[in-house]
Amino acid sequence: DTGVSQDPRHKITKRGQNVTFRCDPISEHNRLYWYRQTLGQGPEFLTYFQNEAQLEKSRLLSDRFSAERPKGSFSTLEIQRTEQGDSAMYLCASSSTETNQPQHFGDGTRLSIL
Amino acid sequence: ILNVEQSPQSLHVQEGDSTNFTCSFPSSNFYALHWYRWETAKSPEALFVMTLNGDEKKKGRISATLNTKEGYSYLYIKGSQPEDSATYLCAFENYGGSQGNLIFGKGTKLSVKP
Repeated sequence: DTGVSQDPRHKITKRGQNVTFRCDPISEHNRLYWYRQTLGQGPEFLTYFQNEAQLEKSRLLSDRFSAERPKGSFSTLEIQRTEQGDSAMYLCASSSTETNQPQHFGDGTRLSIL
Repeated sequence: ILNVEQSPQSLHVQEGDSTNFTCSFPSSNFYALHWYRWETAKSPEALFVMTLNGDEKKKGRISATLNTKEGYSYLYIKGSQPEDSATYLCAFENYGGSQGNLIFGKGTKLSVKP
């Protein structure tokens, strides 16, 4: 069990650029989640997949954000035309479909917008 | 708006002290309460998933209790060690809401001095 892995660990980019993050969940997990954490706050839910289907998107996820999980395995989160307010830690988690199971988190991608 | 509150915001204790923190959550539509430990530069680690009123769970020196009727959970650490230093997050999962959409508190940051 290699756990949830996220790439890159850190991303620094200029305002207005596009960025893409990748998440590889635990292999047998069907569910995959994206969260965002800003300084002094707990993680906030962004979106959720079961297999390749995106079942829910938070209102936090503006039109500039898009997430995919094309084959039901890894997922990507893209932010277009980045803004200063997008600076945050982006966390990915995965879980099985069994009830009352925890979500297993990756180390996150820290995004800094200059 | 569903709100999860944690207190205290931060805590400094000496090695060997026992300590506890509180998580308050909505008492209606309860499904599960999750506890995580998040050490700096690492991924959040799942501690407990609690579902039944009166539940008490234990993992080594860490234990947690749950009161779903009044909407609170306590996390206890017995004989704190420096390696317990971390941010402890609780997250509420509501019944009939978004599957797996965890609503996190802001966390309690614990520092244990040797």
